[in-house]
Amino acid sequence: QQQVKQSPQSLIVQKGGISIINCAYENTAFDYFPWYQQFPGKGPALLIAIRPDVSEKKEGRFTISFNKSAKQFSLHIMDSQPGDSATYFCAARRSRGSTLGRLYFGRGTQLTVWP
Amino acid sequence: GAGVSQSPRYKVAKRGQDVALRCDPISGHVSLFWYQQALGQGPEFLTYFQNEAQLDKSGLPSDRFFAERPEGSVSTLKIQRTQQEDSAVYLCASSSPKGRGRGTDTQYFGPGTRLTVL
Repeated sequence: QQQVKQSPQSLIVQKGGISIINCAYENTAFDYFPWYQQFPGKGPALLIAIRPDVSEKKEGRFTISFNKSAKQFSLHIMDSQPGDSATYFCAARRSRGSTLGRLYFGRGTQLTVWP
Repeated sequence: GAGVSQSPRYKVAKRGQDVALRCDPISGHVSLFWYQQALGQGPEFLTYFQNEAQLDKSGLPSDRFFAERPEGSVSTLKIQRTQQEDSAVYLCASSSPKGRGRGTDTQYFGPGTRLTVL
């Protein structure tokens, strides 16, 4: 059972455009939502993360929007660049309880940015 | 210093062989995680250590999978009698500089070991 659902599976964007990736979750005990970026042959690297007490977090060209009532969150990449071409994973985690620290990942979105 | 390192980077095994995958976490990190990433999928949790204690092994898919971290630093994931469905990338992550060990800390991933079972 997929605890975090991610869409789309793949995304093609023109250079300079906006890339948007969406995720949804069911478990209301989740209280930390990171996004990871993975290049071929590398491990995932933390890009940006948000907690449910804020609705938006921005770091440079990357923004997370969070809708607690809908149990959805999304990643927006502004002014997308060819170097952003990678696989992006949303994830969720509980900071308390028996599953402390365990990350639940979405299935990933393969982003291609055309020059 | 250095990030999380894993060895070997690639491993080919014949079905039925035993394999051992090594993870060297970031120095001083208390927490260590193993994940399995099938082709085209997101990482799936396998097991979690805090220092040498294995606190959660609920993600291990069968009793053929075994993990240890005897001195609270290097960890080994062992798979006995490998099967074709074990083919995947095995990722190790560490977090929590010494003295913290909270569940909110960033997990830093290694490059993974790609296991192919023929």
